Amino acid sequence: EVQLVESGGGLAQPGRSLRLSCTASGFTFGDYGMSWFRKAPGKGLEWVGFIRSKAFGGTTEYAASVKGRFTISRDDSKSIAYLQMNSLKTEDTAVYYCTRLITIAAAAHFDYWGQGTLVTVSS
Amino acid sequence: SYELTQPPSVSVSPGQTASITCSGDKLGDKNAYWYQQKPGQSPVVVIYQNNKRPSGIPERFSGSNSGNTATLTISGTQAMDEADYYCQAWDSSVVVFGGGTKLTVL
Repeated sequence: EVQLVESGGGLAQPGRSLRLSCTASGFTFGDYGMSWFRKAPGKGLEWVGFIRSKAFGGTTEYAASVKGRFTISRDDSKSIAYLQMNSLKTEDTAVYYCTRLITIAAAAHFDYWGQGTLVTVSS
Repeated sequence: SYELTQPPSVSVSPGQTASITCSGDKLGDKNAYWYQQKPGQSPVVVIYQNNKRPSGIPERFSGSNSGNTATLTISGTQAMDEADYYCQAWDSSVVVFGGGTKLTVL
């Protein structure tokens, strides 16, 4: 059974940093891209970024709203994806979800989602 | 940047058909995806690649995509289908979501 478990959320002050982890099980982690999303209170789903599998270079892509502040990385030996969030802003307050990125017939989507972890940015 | 537009809300009576639209420039040339999110739960993909249902998703969920509009159709809508629905597409390597549609079953 595929499972994704996020951790590391909590309260952070504006300008500070936080690192989220996504621990995966039930599949060969290194074969898949991994992505992060967030949902702020009263707002819609927002894509944060993703990291490709090593087979596709392990490269990353980010939403404009977090580019330069957030970094996604992965440790395939531990089956963990990370979201390093720096220079946090109050508008980064949201539930953050980790997802698996699956590619079928050259088209990709997000087939499994974690339960989410809450990040609150406030002074 | 690419944008997807959804109606903020759709209402449907139990047993009737609900249609949720998603509009974007030449969206029919891309693949459209639909995610369902119920309060307090994580999103679930209900339609991928325009019209494919993942295993475990009821047959009453279907999708289409042509021209500038993708449509999620729920036939015989049930109370359990009440949720927020988001359409999604790719713009090169960027993930784009619609603003979401709240489906109310009443």
